[in-house]
Amino acid sequence: EDQVTQSPEALRLQEGESSSLNCSYTVSGLRGLFWYRQDPGKGPEFLFTLYSAGEEKEKERLKATLTKKESFLHITAPKPEDSATYLCAVQRSNSGYALNFGKGTSLLVTP
Amino acid sequence: DVKVTQSSRYLVKRTGEKVFLECVQDMDHENMFWYRQDPGLGLRLIYFSYDVKMKEKGDIPEGYSVSREKKERFSLILESASTNQTSMYLCASSLPGTSWRTNEQFFGPGTRLTVL
Repeated sequence: EDQVTQSPEALRLQEGESSSLNCSYTVSGLRGLFWYRQDPGKGPEFLFTLYSAGEEKEKERLKATLTKKESFLHITAPKPEDSATYLCAVQRSNSGYALNFGKGTSLLVTP
Repeated sequence: DVKVTQSSRYLVKRTGEKVFLECVQDMDHENMFWYRQDPGLGLRLIYFSYDVKMKEKGDIPEGYSVSREKKERFSLILESASTNQTSMYLCASSLPGTSWRTNEQFFGPGTRLTVL
């Protein structure tokens, strides 16, 4: 059965305190792992797509990595404006189009 | 930039009313999706469409229907609104994938629906 599990559910960091968010998944034949950022009351904003183990992508203070069983979103020297919920998703095994989303990690960065 | 727009940001309806939520995308995407998002339950797929007039049920289609008469527009219909349909509704679109690649979805701003 397809599963996407994100941990921790919530994370509080001091400004400048680096950390990582985890997304573990089970799906047969990964065809894409996706990271999104969601601010309160808004739609998810696309961040990264990873397709194969060993792949890495970076954007400002964020870096996403992928293994065969999990992905990490590394946040380096975060700022308060990085506070948001971060969602991870993989494709559904029975569909070439639809995604299964994790429940997200709520990140709060305090000054 | 991909732009996905939704007809309303906030909507308040009465129990039993028929409710239409509209979504429009401007990037000529074949795939379109409707989700609802509730605290503790995450994003749940209601329906999706991979072409005009085509639709497939997601995880929670009961009480909903959809319409896709034009490529850029995907409508979600609540046939008879109930209080348990109070939620944030999110529309998304994407390009078609292949047997080895699924493409990212782009989301609209969401509609916060309250059913009284």
